Amino acid sequence: GENVEQHPSTLSVQEGDSAVIKCTYSDSASNYFPWYKQELGKRPQLIIDIRSNVGEKKDQRIAVTLNKTAKHFSLHITETQPEDSAVYFCAATPSGSARQLTFGSGTQLTVLP
Amino acid sequence: DADVTQTPRNRITKTGKRIMLECSQTKGHDRMYWYRQDPGLGLRLIYYSFDVKDINKGEISDGYSVSRQAQAKFSLSLESAIPNQTALYFCAIRVLGEKLFFGSGTQLSVL
Repeated sequence: GENVEQHPSTLSVQEGDSAVIKCTYSDSASNYFPWYKQELGKRPQLIIDIRSNVGEKKDQRIAVTLNKTAKHFSLHITETQPEDSAVYFCAATPSGSARQLTFGSGTQLTVLP
Repeated sequence: DADVTQTPRNRITKTGKRIMLECSQTKGHDRMYWYRQDPGLGLRLIYYSFDVKDINKGEISDGYSVSRQAQAKFSLSLESAIPNQTALYFCAIRVLGEKLFFGSGTQLSVL
C-alpha cells in the first residue's frame, strides 16, 4: 500500500517568516494530495489540496507544490501568524478503487511572536 | 454543512473491558471512516465503510470491530481493550470527492 513520510516532525519559525513542510509518497499512481491542519484539541480540517495534473496551487498565504517525478509534495506558508501554530498532516490516495487516504505522521508548527 | 457527532468525547476504561465508540452524521454521506491518532504516528485507518453492507479493514484493524447500523451511524468496538489502544479516535465522512470531514474525536484511555 501507500506510504507517506513527512518532515520535519517539529518546526519553529518567527512570526512573519515562511514555513515549509515536505512529504514523500511511495505509490506513483497516487493522484490526490490534501493537507489538514489540526489546532490544539480540535479536529483535523482540510486547508488545501492538489491533484496530480497540477504542479502548484495557492490560497492566500498557503500554497502546495507537487513533483510527480520525485514523488514529493510540500506545503508553504508565507507571512506566518500565531494562529498558524498547529499540527499539519499531509496525505495521499493510494491506487485502486477504494481510494482511502494515507496520512503522514504530522508536523507541529510553532510560530513564535 | 456536514456534521459528524462522536460519543463519548472522553472515556476511561480498564483492560479487558468491551467498549463502543459511536459516530453519527446528518447528511447521509455514503463513506464513513474510523481513524486512530497517536503522537508521532499521524492518523491511521482502522475501518471504513462505503455503505451499510460494505465494511472494509484498514491498516490497523486488529483488536477492533465495526458496525454500520444505518447509513448515518458507524460504531467502533474494542472487544477486549488493552493499554496500547489508548489513543484519540476520529470518525470521518467523505464529502465532495476525496475530502474528509472529521468528528470532534473521542479520547480513550485504557488502564
